[in-house]
Amino acid sequence: GENVGLHLPTLSVQEGDNSIINCAYSNSASDYFIWYKQESGKGPQFIIDIRSNMDKRQGQRVTVLLNKTVKHLSLQIAATQPGDSAVYFCAENMGKAAGNKLTFGGGTRVLVKP
Amino acid sequence: KAGVTQTPRYLIKTRGQQVTLSCSPISGHRSVSWYQQTPGQGLQFLFEYFSETQRNKGNFPGRFSGRQFSNSRSEMNVSTLELGDSALYLCASSPGGPDTQYFGPGTRLTVL
Repeated sequence: GENVGLHLPTLSVQEGDNSIINCAYSNSASDYFIWYKQESGKGPQFIIDIRSNMDKRQGQRVTVLLNKTVKHLSLQIAATQPGDSAVYFCAENMGKAAGNKLTFGGGTRVLVKP
Repeated sequence: KAGVTQTPRYLIKTRGQQVTLSCSPISGHRSVSWYQQTPGQGLQFLFEYFSETQRNKGNFPGRFSGRQFSNSRSEMNVSTLELGDSALYLCASSPGGPDTQYFGPGTRLTVL
């Protein structure tokens, strides 16, 4: 995949356990955040998003937490499954004034052990 | 709805050549953004087009250019290819505001 060779932080998790992936973002003016999952050979796939006026949002088996005070974002995956093995990216969007540009974090590789 | 499509999926070129990549956004989406993904640099923003106008641009040399057509389809061109241009080029579309961007599968470009 595209991230072979890139020294990504790796999270190894036992199947069925919960995973927490962390991300520090750079711009306090960012108002919209997205988590993407990228499997080998594929483009990033949208998981969940959150706007800056929220601090928590839940989806199916996933929860995103936003702490604007320390500019930190986390993705929690409940009951991690083998299909969750992928690289996860957080992205910040500084909104319309800055165009529709996404700035991505470096990514975290999640390996699910059976 | 069909997702974002990119053509070709794979491309091999030699140094000095030029290349054009194509992206068809999700129906109804007016914004198309392009990204370069490499193992060393990760995902980097190239540019964004909205209603046929370049609305935002990343820090890439002028060899990288793009355009958008009236049907929102977009093309990206790289002239005078260099070895370092080898990468996965990703296109993403969104309705147009600060919305979620949906990515295509990418075009893997190899420059020999």
